[in-house]
Amino acid sequence: KAGVTQTPRYLIKTRGQQVTLSCSPISGHRSVSWYQQTPGQGLQFLFEYFSETQRNKGNFPGRFSGRQFSNSRSEMNVSTLELGDSALYLCASSLRDSYNYGYTFGSGTRLTVV
Amino acid sequence: GQSLEQPSEVTAVEGAIVQINCTYQTSGFYGLSWYQQHDGGAPTFLSYNGLDGLEETGRFSSFLSRSDSYGYLLLQELQMKDSASYFCAVRDQTYNTDKLIFGTGTRLQVFP
Repeated sequence: KAGVTQTPRYLIKTRGQQVTLSCSPISGHRSVSWYQQTPGQGLQFLFEYFSETQRNKGNFPGRFSGRQFSNSRSEMNVSTLELGDSALYLCASSLRDSYNYGYTFGSGTRLTVV
Repeated sequence: GQSLEQPSEVTAVEGAIVQINCTYQTSGFYGLSWYQQHDGGAPTFLSYNGLDGLEETGRFSSFLSRSDSYGYLLLQELQMKDSASYFCAVRDQTYNTDKLIFGTGTRLQVFP
């Protein structure tokens, strides 16, 4: 079965711009979570969506937002980009009660802010 | 808050057995998960060991001591392709949230 698909794979933006990243979960998975991965901070939780509702949010500024559509696809948006937003952004999907048995991650979008 | 500590790097030779440790501080503990991530790749689920069950994959197994807030991932019959970063993770359901908290990761280098 198809895995989690993230687009684009790579992105270069300049400071002050905004960016939208997309994630298509595994068919049947209704929960989509987003993580930011940097060498210094590791994997940091951004937010989680379930049935088009944001269920949880991590400790990130309001410039980071997201949404989920009725087909469970999710997008995250970062406005007013800063150099420190350069990171690998990972999306993961799961059956809602299966946190403990594993998220399935996409390959990520590598964002570089210059 | 929640925190998970892992050694930053572990080295081993092909064919050996290696243990990657994780100590955690958490409330409402359910269990410990493990993920593998190759450079530039997606984290992939390896194992879960907790109150509600155990799941392991192939040559990867896990141990958990709730009393010591400690667990480890055991990799047997090491192969070069096992060179990767390994993360432990716990489920965080405090502060009206529900998410996985990941450790800082252990980079495993396997030598011939």
